[in-house]
Amino acid sequence: EDQVTQSPEALRLQEGESSSLNCSYTVSGLRGLFWYRQDPGKGPEFLFTLYSAGEEKEKERLKATLTKKESFLHITAPKPEDSATYLCAVQIQGAQKLVFGQGTRLTINP
Amino acid sequence: DAGVIQSPRHEVTEMGQEVTLRCKPISGHDYLFWYRQTMMRGLELLIYFNNNVPIDDSGMPEDRFSAKMPNASFSTLKIQPSEPRDSAVYFCASSLSHPRAHYEQYFGPGTRLTVT
Repeated sequence: EDQVTQSPEALRLQEGESSSLNCSYTVSGLRGLFWYRQDPGKGPEFLFTLYSAGEEKEKERLKATLTKKESFLHITAPKPEDSATYLCAVQIQGAQKLVFGQGTRLTINP
Repeated sequence: DAGVIQSPRHEVTEMGQEVTLRCKPISGHDYLFWYRQTMMRGLELLIYFNNNVPIDDSGMPEDRFSAKMPNASFSTLKIQPSEPRDSAVYFCASSLSHPRAHYEQYFGPGTRLTVT
């Protein structure tokens, strides 16, 4: 069965304190791995897609990386506005649907 | 672009009543997805359509749930009869099956359903 596990469930950082979120996956064949950001009361907002091991994508203070078994979302010098739940999802070969992890709730204190 | 539009944003109903949730996908997108999000189970795919045709409804919890897509710009998710355990946030998402579009899904703001 295809599975996605995110850790930690929640992470609290001070402003400027860099860290990483983890997404590990077990799938029959990976077509793509997606990162989304979700703010309270809103729908998930697309951030990145990664397709192959070794690939990296960056956007502002965020950088996503991918290996054969997991992905990391690195956040560098975060600001309070980076506080959100970050969701990881995998897309299986030959399918359009996404399987989501439970998310990591990130809080950045000023 | 207006993005994915969902209505209503909030729905409060009594157990046993029929509930209809509505979605307008991004113009030109050929895939439409319905998800349900709860604290316990996270974000779950219910059903998805390609060119208005249902492709996979294996996530639909039971016969009380049904979804339709009569045309490329409109879809409904209906629950009849509704039960308290259906309380959740329901999201609609759409995507474009073009190689350069990378298959990412764009989500609407969701409908928060409360069944009392």
